[in-house]
Amino acid sequence: DGGITQSPKYLFRKEGQNVTLSCEQNLNHDAMYWYRQDPGQGLRLIYYSQIVNDFQKGDIAEGYSVSREKKESFPLTVTSAQKNPTAFYLCASSIGRNQPQHFGDGTRLSIL
Amino acid sequence: EDKVVQSPLSLVVHEGDTVTLNCSYEVTNFRSLLWYKQEKKAPTFLFMLTSSGIEKKSGRLSSILDKKELFSILNITATQTGDSAIYLCALETTSGTYKYIFGTGTRLKVLA
Repeated sequence: DGGITQSPKYLFRKEGQNVTLSCEQNLNHDAMYWYRQDPGQGLRLIYYSQIVNDFQKGDIAEGYSVSREKKESFPLTVTSAQKNPTAFYLCASSIGRNQPQHFGDGTRLSIL
Repeated sequence: EDKVVQSPLSLVVHEGDTVTLNCSYEVTNFRSLLWYKQEKKAPTFLFMLTSSGIEKKSGRLSSILDKKELFSILNITATQTGDSAIYLCALETTSGTYKYIFGTGTRLKVLA
């Protein structure tokens, strides 16, 4: 079955630590996205990528970094510069313009 | 600045009631409007709207777009407890690259 897999489901970060959230898709979609969801704030765009080896900052990119070395994979690193990382992180992909996004099941990140 | 506003923020109804959820927007380069349902983890796609006045329908759910007044509504008739979820509205916008802007969502709770 095609889909998007995010791992881990739960992640804890220590002070000063970088952590990486995995997102893999086997839908052969060109575009991939990372969102952050906080209570009462909907989904906010962190980074997005429309083709391999290219990505753009979203609305809240500070303290995050991404790479897109393969079409299937779009990992998100939450760096120590992100002072309030506790949130639910969702990865999505889409085949192109005018097409709906497909979402993974999310990673819940908390601070220790 | 591109903006998507959903109302109400939350809603509690009883089974059998009809609900109307609203999504208004200000977007520079509109391409499409999408509705998603989020129960626990991954949002699932409901509708994509690109043209004014054309109703999209799926079972008890329907949606319509008004590009002149810049809003969309999502109707749910004969609500069931399984309709309890957060309903998200998203705009696809193109300004060079294309991306999606989400509203804060409407949290619907249907009581038995």
